[in-house]
Amino acid sequence: GAGVSQSPRYKVAKRGQDVALRCDPISGHVSLFWYQQALGQGPEFLTYFQNEAQLDKSGLPSDRFFAERPEGSVSTLKIQRTQQEDSAVYLCASSLWRVGGTETQYFGPGTRLLVL
Amino acid sequence: AQKITQTQPGMFVQEKEAVTLDCTYDTSDQSYGLFWYKQPSSGEMIFLIYQGSYDEQNATEGRYSLNFQKARKSANLVISASQLGDSAMYFCAMREGGGFKTIFGAGTRLFVKA
Repeated sequence: GAGVSQSPRYKVAKRGQDVALRCDPISGHVSLFWYQQALGQGPEFLTYFQNEAQLDKSGLPSDRFFAERPEGSVSTLKIQRTQQEDSAVYLCASSLWRVGGTETQYFGPGTRLLVL
Repeated sequence: AQKITQTQPGMFVQEKEAVTLDCTYDTSDQSYGLFWYKQPSSGEMIFLIYQGSYDEQNATEGRYSLNFQKARKSANLVISASQLGDSAMYFCAMREGGGFKTIFGAGTRLFVKA
């Protein structure tokens, strides 16, 4: 079945490099979320898209983090000038409807980012 | 500000027995949703169950039930008849009615013993 896919699954970057993480949500899903999960912690919300509109980016930790979803389907999370504290698993999730109520978020397998 | 607290870093349960995973939350909103997710060692987050703040009955989904005590702001997950495949991390999460942000607790690691 076509679930949420993310690429790459693993990324090693040198400190200072820029990285781009891709999320392919389930086809037709309106809502898309990005989360950051540090080792041994729960996911932390980064940003939310409803179609192509970024309605909440309050969780982005700094202006080095940027996300887009230009055509309302695939999304890219970009991290500029990576730092060691950016090392984490980045999870993408999508849901069929707009946020609210009982909608189920379907998560991708995540991208594990290691910054050396 | 919204907050989720899971006070059990790890739990052990014997196969076929029931287990309760604790979750308390804090919010000033009257409208909110509570979620439980399972994260196996593979890393994928799997939705288990949802409870709305206005739902009068506790949510149930197969072997999962949510013990919702609104006055105490608790939303404990009960897994009945534990199976070896239930061994995983379990996260409680909440979203306030007017917002887009879902916040997660720190998780509880469940170990099911044969």
